[in-house]
Amino acid sequence: DAKTTQPPSMDCAEGRAANLPCNHSTISGNEYVYWYRQIHSQGPQYIIHGLKNNETNEMASLIITEDRKSSTLILPHATLRDTAVYYCIVRVESYGQNFVFGPGTRLSVLP
Amino acid sequence: GAVVSQHPSWVICKSGTSVKIECRSLDFQATTMFWYRQFPKQSLMLMATSNEGSKATYEQGVEKDKFLINHASLTLSTLTVTSAHPEDSSFYICSARDQTSGRTQYFGPGTRLLVL
Repeated sequence: DAKTTQPPSMDCAEGRAANLPCNHSTISGNEYVYWYRQIHSQGPQYIIHGLKNNETNEMASLIITEDRKSSTLILPHATLRDTAVYYCIVRVESYGQNFVFGPGTRLSVLP
Repeated sequence: GAVVSQHPSWVICKSGTSVKIECRSLDFQATTMFWYRQFPKQSLMLMATSNEGSKATYEQGVEKDKFLINHASLTLSTLTVTSAHPEDSSFYICSARDQTSGRTQYFGPGTRLLVL
């Protein structure tokens, strides 16, 4: 699976959009981009995933660049409860394979 | 989304005892479940892949005789930490993938183990 690079930490003001970047310059054509988050002392929570098209759900939007070498997770109106570590993971679609977690980005939403 | 539960949510035990942690997929079937361990301020590290009806596959450095995994059904996997020691104190998290709906993997809430 391709490696990802994320900033170690970010701050965001409550109510503003949080834009979390992820670089995955070695991504291959059959690898998806997944985003999970982990709130303190809880298990990771699935947020969104995509292959090459931008995706949106009730939690967030995922913007993938045309060359697929980077992506951005957007939380449109961050709240204090969005404070968490956000993980960007790229992986092939293989049912038996696990997710490999990097250090992620620690997002702090400030009042 | 799909729900994965773990029991217990936290456990304190004496050194030398064994602790069993259950992982259940509540509304879907999972042929494969995964067990992770997370130490404070670190990311999740895969310990083993649990396969229903067969032996688990352990990651390098994880002792299979110490961390016993049983995947007896399509909705239940158990991790038993045998002869626990203080260095086994950690946050244990399982995950499962819905084999019918697609690619997303769902994680349990985690079990915090403290060995005294």
